[in-house]
This record gives sequence, structure tokens and C-alpha cells, in this order.
Amino acid sequence: QVQLQESGPGLVKPSETLSLTCTVSGGSISSYYWSWIRQPPGKGLEWIGYIYYNGNTNYNPSLKSRVTISVDTSKNQFSLKLTSVTTADTAVYYCVRSDNYFDYWGQGTLVTVSS
Amino acid sequence: DIVMTQSPDSLAVSLGERATINCKSSQSVLYSSNNKNYLAWYQQKPGQPPKLLIHWASTREFGVPDRFSGSGSGTDFTLTISSLQAEDVAVYYCQQYYTTPRTFGQGTKVEIK
Repeated sequence: QVQLQESGPGLVKPSETLSLTCTVSGGSISSYYWSWIRQPPGKGLEWIGYIYYNGNTNYNPSLKSRVTISVDTSKNQFSLKLTSVTTADTAVYYCVRSDNYFDYWGQGTLVTVSS
Repeated sequence: DIVMTQSPDSLAVSLGERATINCKSSQSVLYSSNNKNYLAWYQQKPGQPPKLLIHWASTREFGVPDRFSGSGSGTDFTLTISSLQAEDVAVYYCQQYYTTPRTFGQGTKVEIK
């Protein structure tokens, strides 16, 4: 059974960079696409982008200028960096396996942007 | 971007009754070369990540009760819960994977009447 676990700081200051890592267990990262999705408190779901194990990426145009997703196949991990954060970036961030649809989700981690 | 619009935003249904959620996409998510609709449904309970219920518009994910069914094609889709159970109280989202950016509906909250 594939499991995903997000890790990273729960508090980030405005204008700084949000960094999260997702560790995949129970399966190899060297297949499928791997996405980040976020959900502001009490709101809906927003796809941030995905990466393929070979490093190919696709980002949501609404965030593209600030987002980098990378993969480390040796550690079975992929990561998210979001620069120049504001309070609007406060959300639960999920890492997700995504071939087409999103079938395996991490539990999510709340990242609060506040000074 | 493909805009996904769900209706209603919320609904209250008696236990054992049918719940119907609609999802409309701003353009077709039917891929003509394979005749598949690139549409999924998710269930999200409070404090939990979304759970995949249905993909390809009507294929139930393994382990999902058969009271959940998906239908529709092109731009109009429906998620039906044939006999609402207490554990089905949740927010339900549709999502298209026809193109990027992947987009979700705004969610429909299902409660017990």
C-alpha cells in the first residue's frame, strides 16, 4: 500500500519561501506523476503542479512564477518550494500520487504564513 | 482553464434516501480517441484528505461501496449516493484530468436531514 507523508515547517514568514518534502513508502517513486495540492482553511482544492520521476514538471499557471517541484528518486521523495509567500498561501498542503486522477494522498500539513 | 461547477453547494438528505450531486465542466472532458471522460469524484471528511471514489466518470475505486455511482459524459456529470448512510456526511468534489491545470469543483456538502 502506497503511503505519502508531508514534512516541513508549519509556520513561514511573509515574503519567505515555503519548503515541503513528501516521502513515499510502499512503492517506488520511479513511475507515476506526483502532485502537490493545497486547501486553504474552509475552502476548496487547488492543484499546484506535478513532477514525473524523470524530472519533467507541469505547474498551475496561477502559481508558476513562484513554484518549483523537484524529485529525489534515491530517497523516494519529492519536494515543493513556493517563494514570496503571503497570507493567501496559508493552507493545508497535500502530496498526492497522480497518474491521471489523484489516488493516494498524504494526510496533509498545515502551513501558516504569518509574521 | 476548465472551470468545474457543482450544484448544489449543499444538500440535506434523510438517511436511506438518494443524494444527487451535479458537476458541469466549461468544456468537454471526453477524449474522443478512447471515448473516456477524464472526470473523477472525491469524498472529503473533516480533518481528512480527499478520498478517490470514482474515476473515468463512472468507475468505482476498489473498496468504494456500490451505493456510490457516477454518470454523465462530455460536460455534464452526476454523483449519486443511492441510499445515504451516516458515514457519507462529507464534502464531495469533482475534478477534471483532461488537461492541465487540473481543476476541481467548489465542493458540495452533504448532510443528514
